[in-house]
Order: sequence, then C-alpha cells, then structure tokens
Amino acid sequence: EIVLTQSPGTLSLSPGERATLSCRASQSVSTSYLVWYQQKPGQAPRLLIYAASSRATGIPDRFSGSGSGTDFTLTISRLEPEDFAVYYCQHYVSSPGAFTFGPGTKVEIK
Amino acid sequence: QVQLQESGPGLVKPSETLSLTCSVSGDSMSTYFWSWIRQPPGKGLEWIGYIYYNGITNYNPSLKSRVTMSIDTSKNQFSLRLNSMTAADTAVYYCAREYYDTLTGTGGWFDPWGQGTLVTVSS
Repeated sequence: EIVLTQSPGTLSLSPGERATLSCRASQSVSTSYLVWYQQKPGQAPRLLIYAASSRATGIPDRFSGSGSGTDFTLTISRLEPEDFAVYYCQHYVSSPGAFTFGPGTKVEIK
Repeated sequence: QVQLQESGPGLVKPSETLSLTCSVSGDSMSTYFWSWIRQPPGKGLEWIGYIYYNGITNYNPSLKSRVTMSIDTSKNQFSLRLNSMTAADTAVYYCAREYYDTLTGTGGWFDPWGQGTLVTVSS
C-alpha cells in the first residue's frame, strides 16, 4: 500500500508570497496518477492538478505541479487571498483500483 | 456542466445501516466511474469505493465487508450502503465522478464532487 506524506502540515504565509507544498510517496508512483486538490472550509475539494503537472479547467496559472518518482510539489507562485485553504495530494493505483489521499497541508495567512 | 448532490439521513444510530444517494445532473452516467469519499470532522479524506456505470464495483479494503454500492442509470443516481455504523463513521460523505479512460489508462482523479452531507452516528 502506498502512503502519501505531505509537508509541512501548516504553512503560514502572506498574500503575494510563494507557497511550496510537498507530497512524498512511500514508493515510486506514476506521474500519471498524482493529483492535487484544494479544499476551503465547508466546501468539497476542488481538482487543481492532475497527472502531476496538468492544471484542471479554470485553474489559474499561478498554480503549478511538478515532480516524479516519490517526490511531488505543488507551487502557488503568488498567493491570492482566496488561496488560503487546505491542499491534498492523491494517488491512484490502477490495479486493483485504489485511491490514497495525503493528510493535507493547510496554507494559512501569516 | 455535471452536478452531483448527496441525499440521506443526517443522523444514524450505532449498529444501523447508512443509506445515501447521489443524484447526477447535466450529463450521462455512462462510461464513468462514480465514487464515495468521506471526511471525518477536522480530518482528511478517505475513499470508500466506486461503481462503474455497468455496475462493476471496487471498495476500499478497510471498508469492504460493510459497503454496498448500486447504480440506477435510468434515474441518474448511485447509492451507498454502509452497515454496522459506529461513531468512527461520523463524517461528511461526498459523492464524486472519477475520470478514468479505460482505453488509454489515463485518469484516476475526482471531478466534480457533490457538496457533501454530514452523517452523525449517535443514539
């Protein structure tokens, strides 16, 4: 079973700053199946990045994903007020078909 | 634009069975996988399982013995049953569409999601 670890647990930053969030897998995973979501309080998660680096429809280009193997990164180039939220990475294993989420990183206003 | 909406009881007694339904609007259910995901208050996300439009299911091994999913494409709905509920099952339950292309093997992400429904297990 692949375990996803996210760091840091909480990131305290100011609007306009750059945010770098890490997702580490317990073993090498396919970039095709590494995904990032944003979740705001009281809302469902929203798809941000799929296949490690592809932005979902309507996602601003200040969000970018990168990485391979066991280490993946979500970068927010310049934080906007609406970007303060919890971010989850997720991995999919095609056989037997299972989904794992990381514990999340909270990006809070400093 | 596809939209999903969960419905069901907000309160379930311990040992009873939870039944939730997800109504899908704005698109056909065909060729997609449909999942249930839950989130205990203040905690992270846990995938419960999926059902394909043709009825094929796959469940999280940790919940497999208690989960049953069904689908009714004529009504554009799919459902979750989780039996032997305990306080540990208290969570917001989300339904979501999974994108997965069986021909190319690409996919494995959830979009869109329903707004979620809070289920509390208490006597």
